[in-house]
Amino acid sequence: GQNIDQPTEMTATEGAIVQINCTYQTSGFNGLFWYQQHAGEAPTFLSYNVLDGLEEKGRFSSFLSRSKGYSYLLLKELQMKDSASYLCAVMDSNYQLIWGAGTKLIIKP
Amino acid sequence: GAVVSQHPSRVICKSGTSVKIECRSLDFQATTMFWYRQFPKQSLMLMATSNEGSKATYEQGVEKDKFLINHASLTLSTLTVTSAHPEDSSFYICSARGGSSGGAETQYFGPGTRLLVL
Repeated sequence: GQNIDQPTEMTATEGAIVQINCTYQTSGFNGLFWYQQHAGEAPTFLSYNVLDGLEEKGRFSSFLSRSKGYSYLLLKELQMKDSASYLCAVMDSNYQLIWGAGTKLIIKP
Repeated sequence: GAVVSQHPSRVICKSGTSVKIECRSLDFQATTMFWYRQFPKQSLMLMATSNEGSKATYEQGVEKDKFLINHASLTLSTLTVTSAHPEDSSFYICSARGGSSGGAETQYFGPGTRLLVL
């Protein structure tokens, strides 16, 4: 079956760095997405990786290793507004998005 | 850009009535739109995939006669919840595939519609 694993919850301190991991097992691979979802709101797109390596976008970076079925989202200089759920999603061979359950990130002052 | 709007943002209705939710891609053409449902503290659940000009593809367990989807144009898809019941109360979110950033396969989400059926 298809499976996306990410931690349920993480806690970090304002100003620090946090890495949210995602491992996947899917039938085919056409890219991996990270979305941010604040409580009560719809997800917003953060990043898309289809090739191995690190994609940097401001305070957020996303890494992909296709051979390991592994990705991480790196958040630097954490701000209180970064408190949200972070969703990992993989597009399979049928171009269907397989969603992880999300990682709830709690930022403490 | 890749902006998706959804209307209404919030709706309260009586049991047995029908509710229509609109999803529009404002600055790009979306050949494919998706409808999701999300219950509190749970992950997104795909209900159906909607392609412009053709019938929607429903996920297993989603009643197509209850959740009517129409994708009449490249910028508009509608979801109608027919004969709504309290268990249909949920957060309904649409997404559209396309836009100018993130790759052609990236889905951009509307702000969601919170439905409460009394």
